Amino acid sequence: AQSVTQLGSHVSVSEGALVLLRCNYSSSVPPYLFWYVQYPNQGLQLLLKYTSAATLVKGINGFEAEFKKSETSFHLTKPSAHMSDAAEYFCAVSDETGTASKLTFGTGTRLQVTL
Amino acid sequence: EAGVTQFPSHSVIEKGQTVTLRCDPISGHDNLYWYRRVMGKEIKFLLHFVKESKQDESGMPNNRFLAERTGGTYSTLKVQPAELEDSGVYFCASSHELPSVATIYFGEGSWLTVV
Repeated sequence: AQSVTQLGSHVSVSEGALVLLRCNYSSSVPPYLFWYVQYPNQGLQLLLKYTSAATLVKGINGFEAEFKKSETSFHLTKPSAHMSDAAEYFCAVSDETGTASKLTFGTGTRLQVTL
Repeated sequence: EAGVTQFPSHSVIEKGQTVTLRCDPISGHDNLYWYRRVMGKEIKFLLHFVKESKQDESGMPNNRFLAERTGGTYSTLKVQPAELEDSGVYFCASSHELPSVATIYFGEGSWLTVV
């Protein structure tokens, strides 16, 4: 079975500071990994995805994530936080068939950005 | 192009009543998914349709939940009778065919409160 662990249910950063949201996964097969974001009163939006190509994945809004097999991690980063980044972020791993037909999500990390 | 749309956006019902949630996927997407997030927990997979057929319903919690997708277009998720623990956000998602990995597009969710 696959699983995702997101360390820190709440993260607070100052505007302009580095954003680092942690995600560790468990999978018996090479995983496909995703980060989704949910802004207030909106649905889930795909930020980026890892599909066994380049280990450093660039997404929308300046976010990127690096796949590290040895650490079973897929942490999300952004060099400089903006107030508009305040949202809840979800890491997810695809199902064991690798076709991404079923996602297993982490519990989410709520990002607060302060002045 | 219209995204995944869900109706109603919010619903408050009494325990024992019936609620039907509707999802209209992105036009042309054969794959339709239902996910649920109960308060404070992770987003969990409920089921997956390919056109009108249920591909995977392993996440359906019990027989009080019935999902249909008549004609392979929109889908409904009926909860009958509703219980307090059914409260949460129900997300619908859709994707095109299943290549090695497909992007799953989510709707804004239907917020269900059972009182």
